[in-house]
Amino acid sequence: EVQLVESGGGLVQPGGSLRLSCAASGFTFTSYWMSWVRQAPGKGLEWVANIKQDGSEKYYVDSVKGRFTISRDNAKNSLFLQMNSLRAEDTAVYYCARDRSSGAVNWFDPWGQGTLVTVSS
Amino acid sequence: DIQMTQSPSSLSASVGDRVTISCRASQGISSWLAWYQQKPEKAPKSLIYAASSLQSGVPSRFSGSGSGTDFTLTISSLQPEDFATYYCQQYHSYPPTFGGGTKVEIK
Repeated sequence: EVQLVESGGGLVQPGGSLRLSCAASGFTFTSYWMSWVRQAPGKGLEWVANIKQDGSEKYYVDSVKGRFTISRDNAKNSLFLQMNSLRAEDTAVYYCARDRSSGAVNWFDPWGQGTLVTVSS
Repeated sequence: DIQMTQSPSSLSASVGDRVTISCRASQGISSWLAWYQQKPEKAPKSLIYAASSLQSGVPSRFSGSGSGTDFTLTISSLQPEDFATYYCQQYHSYPPTFGGGTKVEIK
């Protein structure tokens, strides 16, 4: 069974940092781009970042460029999101998702269960 | 960025009804469109990709159509488990963007 399990969310003060993790299983992790997608409370979905199979290409939504860093450890089938200089507007459930399609811009399946990040003083 | 606009934002329907949800892109995206279903407190689940291809395991009452800028998700006969919020998403160009969602509620 394909499975994605996020961890690392929590409460952090504005300006603080947090590192999210996503453990992948049930598929060949090294064959897929991977993404982070977030959803603010009561709001819609927003793609945050993705990373190529070998980590050589990374893309970000403008609102997180320079603050967030996506990375992966293929030996441990894991995806990460390092979030620095956090703002209140970064408060959201963060989902790890497997990219589907043949290129760098993809649709997503499956999604993890999500981890909640709350930025507040 | 490509803007995705869904309509309506919500609708009320009964079990057995035919339901249609629209999604419009701010520029042409060919058939690079996906649809997702999200139930409360759950992760989104993919339904349709490439505008009209049914994802494995998704019931055949779901179908997608359209190309260019105008797309439609149709549920041919609404079932109790279909009450949820539906999102479209373009993957024509960066950044991938989602519509605002359509909440399907029980009438």
